[in-house]
Amino acid sequence: DIQMTQSPSSLSASVGDRVTITCRASQGISNYLAWFQQKPGKVPKLLIYAASTSQSGVPSRFSGSGSGTDFTLTISSLQPEDVATYYCHNYNSAPRTFGQGTKVEIK
Amino acid sequence: EVQLVESGGGLVKPGGSLRLSCAASGFTFSNYNMNWVRQAPGKGLEWVSSISSSSSYIYYADSVKGRFTISRDNAKNSLYLQMNSLRAEDTAVYYCARDSPTIIGVVITWGQGTLVTVSS
Repeated sequence: DIQMTQSPSSLSASVGDRVTITCRASQGISNYLAWFQQKPGKVPKLLIYAASTSQSGVPSRFSGSGSGTDFTLTISSLQPEDVATYYCHNYNSAPRTFGQGTKVEIK
Repeated sequence: EVQLVESGGGLVKPGGSLRLSCAASGFTFSNYNMNWVRQAPGKGLEWVSSISSSSSYIYYADSVKGRFTISRDNAKNSLYLQMNSLRAEDTAVYYCARDSPTIIGVVITWGQGTLVTVSS
């Protein structure tokens, strides 16, 4: 199975800061990588798919990059409503796998 | 409006069984691949199982293989998860989730989840 490793597991940043979350796959998955945002008590929301394509309606401050084994989610200017846990997700093949999550808080 | 409503969760003893159901509405259920994803209390997301639109392709996470069985009834717009030999580590909220119609393999729509607690 392909393991997805995210870093950091949590971070605290100020409003307006640039935030970067990384995700590494244990083997190459081309660009079959999605990013989800989960706010407390809510179901996950798709932000990015195909590593770098934004889902409709997602604020432009969210962007994704990478291919193969190394991927990045960037929030260009952190906002209070971005407090959430972010998960990378491999959908290259079954079994699909998620990273362990990165909890983002406001400093 | 697309809706997925899970039911069947509850408290069960280790070694016991439970059957989860997911009632789908607002879309043509038979056209979509469906999934179960779970989340243990305070923990991350774990994909559990997927079934293709016509049930031709079925996949399981290693952690549930041989114990859980996914199925669907397209005539009833329903998805199921039969869970046997339950363990404490199966305690989680179980989400029914629909794949995107355009992004192959990506879940786009989630139910609100049903809580399964495995405890003596």
